[in-house]
Amino acid sequence: DVVMTQTPPSLSVAIGQSVSISCKSSQSLVYSDGKTYLHWLLQSSGRSPKRLIYQVSNLDSGVPDRFSGTGSQKDFTLKISRVEAKDLGVYYCAQTTHFPPTFGGGTKLELK
Amino acid sequence: EVQLQESGPGLVKPSQSLSLTCSVTGYSITSNYWGWIRKFPGNKMEWMGYISYSGSTSYNPSLKSRISITRDTSKNQFFLQLNSVTTEDTATYYCARVDSYPLWGQGVMVTVSS
Repeated sequence: DVVMTQTPPSLSVAIGQSVSISCKSSQSLVYSDGKTYLHWLLQSSGRSPKRLIYQVSNLDSGVPDRFSGTGSQKDFTLKISRVEAKDLGVYYCAQTTHFPPTFGGGTKLELK
Repeated sequence: EVQLQESGPGLVKPSQSLSLTCSVTGYSITSNYWGWIRKFPGNKMEWMGYISYSGSTSYNPSLKSRISITRDTSKNQFFLQLNSVTTEDTATYYCARVDSYPLWGQGVMVTVSS
């Protein structure tokens, strides 16, 4: 299975601060069609996961442009600019390029 | 608005079978891929398997022959059965559209305990 390694496992942040979360995969996530199926999800406390970004850098509808995703091959980053209280929760990267699909271990974003 | 809703028992005894239903409204399960994901105590998430728009299935090899996903298109529902459960199957179970995860249910916590 493709191992997805997220760092850091937790982040303490002040409102208004910017943060980055790293996600590294054990294999390239480029599929045979040339696309990279790496996605970012947020699970806020008491809620189900919500997708924020799909295929590395495409923001889902309604997701503010304070969120951005970058990366290629095996190395990906989620950046959150000007963190707001509603951004708190656990962030996951997830790959659907290889079988079986796998998830990172999560990064918990909490208030400093 | 598309909604997914899991239902099923919250407590299952070891060695028995876990059975869950996912009811989908606002979107036909005869399109795309629909499956189950579980989150263990802590943050670990595991993709369990899916049933496709055509009814074909695919399962995580880690679950070997214990898992079965079926559907009832007339009710727009799909189902999870996990056999021979142990305490290690204690988790929150989510149904979701699993082609890149744009849609999720709210989850159901299942405890395996005698």
